[in-house]
Amino acid sequence: DIQMTQSPSAMSASVGDRVTITCRASQGINNYLAWFQHKPGKVPKRLIYAASSLQSGVPSRFSGSVSGTEFTLTISSLQPEDFATYYCLQHNSYPYTFGQGTKLEIK
Amino acid sequence: EVQVVESGGGFVQPGGSLRLSCTTSGFTFGDFPMSWFRQAPGKGLEWVSFIRRQASGGTTEYAASVKGRFTISRDDSKNIAYLQMNNLKTEDTAVYYCTRGGWADFWGQGTLVTVSS
Repeated sequence: DIQMTQSPSAMSASVGDRVTITCRASQGINNYLAWFQHKPGKVPKRLIYAASSLQSGVPSRFSGSVSGTEFTLTISSLQPEDFATYYCLQHNSYPYTFGQGTKLEIK
Repeated sequence: EVQVVESGGGFVQPGGSLRLSCTTSGFTFGDFPMSWFRQAPGKGLEWVSFIRRQASGGTTEYAASVKGRFTISRDDSKNIAYLQMNNLKTEDTAVYYCTRGGWADFWGQGTLVTVSS
């Protein structure tokens, strides 16, 4: 199975901060990597697909990048509505696997 | 507008069965694979199962934790995907989500399955 090691597991930040979250895959996944935002009681929302493509309707402050097997989600300027838990998902091979999640809290 | 709606969740005792339904609209259902994911209380997201479109054989994939107990299927004439869950265990307690594709671009609102004695 492909392991997705996500870091940090939790962080606190302020409105306006730049935030980066990283997922490292245990082997190559051909950029079949998506990022999701999940708020309590809400439906997970896909932000980024194919490692770096912005989902339609998602604000441009969200971006994704990749270097080898390391994938990064960046929020350029945190907004109040961005405080949530973020997950990466590899869907290159079965079983599909998520990172452990990053809980982003208000400082 | 793409819509995905899960139903069929509920309370069941260990060893029991449930069938979840995923009713869709707003896209050509038969052209897309479908997946189920879940989130147990206080835990992260977990992929459960995947079914390819009929043109790709309609074959299926499962997480090791549910293989042999869960069966995913689809009825393209009704635009519905199903998840038959047998021999349920307490650790299957979760909100179950249906998504379009394994890439999960559209999600339903989820249906809660509680397995408890």
